[in-house]
Amino acid sequence: KAGVTQTPRYLIKTRGQQVTLSCSPISGHRSVSWYQQTPGQGLQFLFEYFSETQRNKGNFPGRFSGRQFSNSRSEMNVSTLELGDSALYLCASSLLGTGGTDTQYFGPGTRLTVL
Amino acid sequence: LAKTTQPISMDSYEGQEVNITCSHNNIATNDYITWYQQFPSQGPRFIIQGYKTKVTNEVASLFIPADRKSSTLSLPRVSLSDTAVYYCLVGGAGRRALTFGSGTRLQVQP
Repeated sequence: KAGVTQTPRYLIKTRGQQVTLSCSPISGHRSVSWYQQTPGQGLQFLFEYFSETQRNKGNFPGRFSGRQFSNSRSEMNVSTLELGDSALYLCASSLLGTGGTDTQYFGPGTRLTVL
Repeated sequence: LAKTTQPISMDSYEGQEVNITCSHNNIATNDYITWYQQFPSQGPRFIIQGYKTKVTNEVASLFIPADRKSSTLSLPRVSLSDTAVYYCLVGGAGRRALTFGSGTRLQVQP
């Protein structure tokens, strides 16, 4: 079974631009979560989608948004990019997103650099 | 969500057993304990998960005492390729957001 895939793997943008990142979950997984990882803040939860609905949201500004499609694929968008948005963005999928033994599996990440 | 505390870093040598302990004093009754491994610029990789006592798989063992306020990840006979950051997470059914702590940076030397 193929793992979680993320595209693109690397991205360079300038301040003020917007960016869209894509995530394809493991086949059959319906929950997709997004995380931001930076050296200073570590791994931080952005949001989680299940059946095309956002179920959970972290403490990030409204410039960060996402969506999920009927095939469970997900995209996240960051508008008006700031230098501090430079990070590794990770996507994780799980069957139901119910926690407990419903393990999350992570993709390789998208490295975003904002200049 | 239960907060976890781990050592910031550990050093070991190839062939040794490494034990990384995680403290989670306010773990809830339905919480499970999960460990992830992360290499630089890669996503975390699931290692092992448990609820109580001992769990073992092909790569690690997880020891959880009766009070479940801590857990220990045991890596037998580490190699250079085990150099990574190890995260302990605690969460249960319905707690969908994973909260990662700072993790433990394990450095394995020859």
